[in-house]
Amino acid sequence: GGIITQTPKFLIGQEGQKLTLKCQQNFNHDTMYWYRQDSGKGLRLIYYSITENDLQKGDLSEGYDASREKKSSFSLTVTSAQKNEMAVFLCASSILGGDTQYFGPGTRLLVL
Amino acid sequence: AQSVDQPDAHVTLSEGASLELRCSYSYSAAPYLFWYVQYPGQSLQFLLKYITGDTVVKGTKGFEAEFRKSNSSFNLKKSPAHWSDSAKYFCALEGGASSSFSKLVFGQGTSLSVVP
Repeated sequence: GGIITQTPKFLIGQEGQKLTLKCQQNFNHDTMYWYRQDSGKGLRLIYYSITENDLQKGDLSEGYDASREKKSSFSLTVTSAQKNEMAVFLCASSILGGDTQYFGPGTRLLVL
Repeated sequence: AQSVDQPDAHVTLSEGASLELRCSYSYSAAPYLFWYVQYPGQSLQFLLKYITGDTVVKGTKGFEAEFRKSNSSFNLKKSPAHWSDSAKYFCALEGGASSSFSKLVFGQGTSLSVVP
């Protein structure tokens, strides 16, 4: 088994601020993902990284940057936080070409 | 384009009853289909998946789902339901073997409340 760790657990930011969320996995998975979960909606894919040196935009990439620092870690940056924004950001990982994704506990973002 | 629809935002039923959560999908080829569960305050956990073969798949926690190509559905079932099944359930689709690289498309989720 393995585990996905996301830091911080809670993130409070100011409008216009650049905010970074971090994700670490010890599954030794090749592929990692960032999703956004808004209340009452499903998960939407922001960025994903198929292998260590890869970066792909998802359906919701505008306003975000991502970085795959090494195989085990994947960071997401909110480039300019929007006032009253509130969401949960979920990191996930899977084996290369794998179908089952494993999710981290999430980072809850609130922008004042 | 791929899409997943979970038409019931909330479902409430009594403990001991049978539960069935609905999921329909739209995809032009053979999909891979998944159910995930999110307990309050927790992240998503994998329940079960359909890839190919037997149209009834069994997962963890006593859940099963039936893939019906005829009406593009993948409903989640369990009997009897227990109060601990109260959670939010997400159906998801992946493009399957026909895709060069697949990513999950999620439905909106169904919040299930099982009352004593």
